[in-house]
Amino acid sequence: EPEVTQTPSHQVTQMGQEVILRCVPISNHLYFYWYRQILGQKVEFLVSFYNNEISEKSEIFDDQFSVERPDGSNFTLKIRSTKLEDSAMYFCASSERPDYTEAFFGQGTRLTVV
Amino acid sequence: SQQGEEDPQALSIQEGENATMNCSYKTSINNLQWYRQNSGRGLVHLILIRSNEREKHSGRLRVTLDTSKKSSSLLITASRAADTASYFCATVSFSGNTPLVFGKGTRLSVIA
Repeated sequence: EPEVTQTPSHQVTQMGQEVILRCVPISNHLYFYWYRQILGQKVEFLVSFYNNEISEKSEIFDDQFSVERPDGSNFTLKIRSTKLEDSAMYFCASSERPDYTEAFFGQGTRLTVV
Repeated sequence: SQQGEEDPQALSIQEGENATMNCSYKTSINNLQWYRQNSGRGLVHLILIRSNEREKHSGRLRVTLDTSKKSSSLLITASRAADTASYFCATVSFSGNTPLVFGKGTRLSVIA
């Protein structure tokens, strides 16, 4: 069964450092998303991406965040200067259609900022 | 906002019993989806119900949707210890092109 894969599974970084979280969406999907979940809280939308550009972003997704699809398979989330409050589980998702009909989520990357 | 809000926040039952979780939301939706998350793991899509549907089944799962009350329920029949997980509802707005909005989830514990 096709799946979304994320690497690394766990990343520890110093405050102020840049991190890049990587995702390989399902190959025939066109819509890509990043969500995050702070421990014990809701899963929150960060950004959606289609046709090589951001289609929507939340208030959380400020200038410290960026996304990129550097090649035909990877989809990355970059945090330029991490803060303690960026510690969370980050989920990548992809779907065939924009209406989230059965969006597939990856296993997540647990980011710990120290 | 059109947040999905689940209740109860936590549910503990014996293996073999049925588990019912509820979700309420605030605005018109295109569809509502239920996801499962094992502790510290990713989200697994369980079932999607569209706004024009009232009930849907998938194996031991039964989902209902009442758009007049803006609520949905997820029933897991004959629960198993392996069903222990957090369950989230997520809504897609009527226009169908806004992000999934998740609730806080119900933490289900099935005791063997």
